[in-house]
Amino acid sequence: QKEVEQNSGPLSVPEGAIASLNCTYSDRGSQSFFWYRQYSGKSPELIMFIYSNGDKEDGRFTAQLNKASQYVSLLIRDSQPSDSATYLCAVNGPNQAGTALIFGKGTTLSVSS
Amino acid sequence: DAEITQSPRHKITETGRQVTLACHQTWNHNNMFWYRQDLGHGLRLIHYSYGVQDTNKGEVSDGYSVSRSNTEDLPLTLESAASSQTSVYFCASSVGGPGNEQFFGPGTRLTVL
Repeated sequence: QKEVEQNSGPLSVPEGAIASLNCTYSDRGSQSFFWYRQYSGKSPELIMFIYSNGDKEDGRFTAQLNKASQYVSLLIRDSQPSDSATYLCAVNGPNQAGTALIFGKGTTLSVSS
Repeated sequence: DAEITQSPRHKITETGRQVTLACHQTWNHNNMFWYRQDLGHGLRLIHYSYGVQDTNKGEVSDGYSVSRSNTEDLPLTLESAASSQTSVYFCASSVGGPGNEQFFGPGTRLTVL
C-alpha cells in the first residue's frame, strides 16, 4: 500500500515567521511531488511541484525534496494570516501513466497576527 | 476561460437511491479523476480515466461507477447510495504526464440519509 504521511497539526506560527511542513512517502519509485493548499470549504489548489532532489523556490514558498530519505517539505517564509489553510502533500501513484496522485491527509496551518 | 465544473454543488439523497454527480471540464484534458474527501482520511481516489472509453478503479471504488463517452465529461454514479458515501466529492483533470498539475473542481457535498 503506497502511503503519504503528514502531521495533521495544527501547526501554529506567528505572522512573519517561517512555517515548515513535512511529508514522507513510502514508494521509492515516486517521481513527482506536489503541494496543494486547501482553504476551508474550498477545493485544493497547487502551490508547488518538484521532481528533483534539492530546493525549488517560488516567491515565499520553497519545496525541498530528498529522495534518499523519501522526504519532501514545504517552507513558507514571512507567513501571513492568509496562509492559514490545510496543506496537502501529493505523490504520483502506481499506475501506468503515473498521473493519479496519492494524497496525504494534510497539515493544518494557523498563522496568528 | 477554461474551467472544471461540478453539479450539483449540494445533494441530499436517501439510502438505496441511485445518484449521479456531474463533472465537466473545458481544458480539453485527457485525464480525469474522482476523489472523495472525509475527515481523518484526506483525499482518496475513486475512479480515473485517461481518455474516452478508458476507466480505471481507484483506492475506494466499491459502490461507484464512471463512464467516459467524451473528453469533457466524467460522471460519477453511486448505484445504491449508502450512508458511508456521505462525503465531499472532487473531480479533477490533468494533461497526460506524471508531472502535470491536476485542476480541481469546486466539489459536491453529498449527504445520504
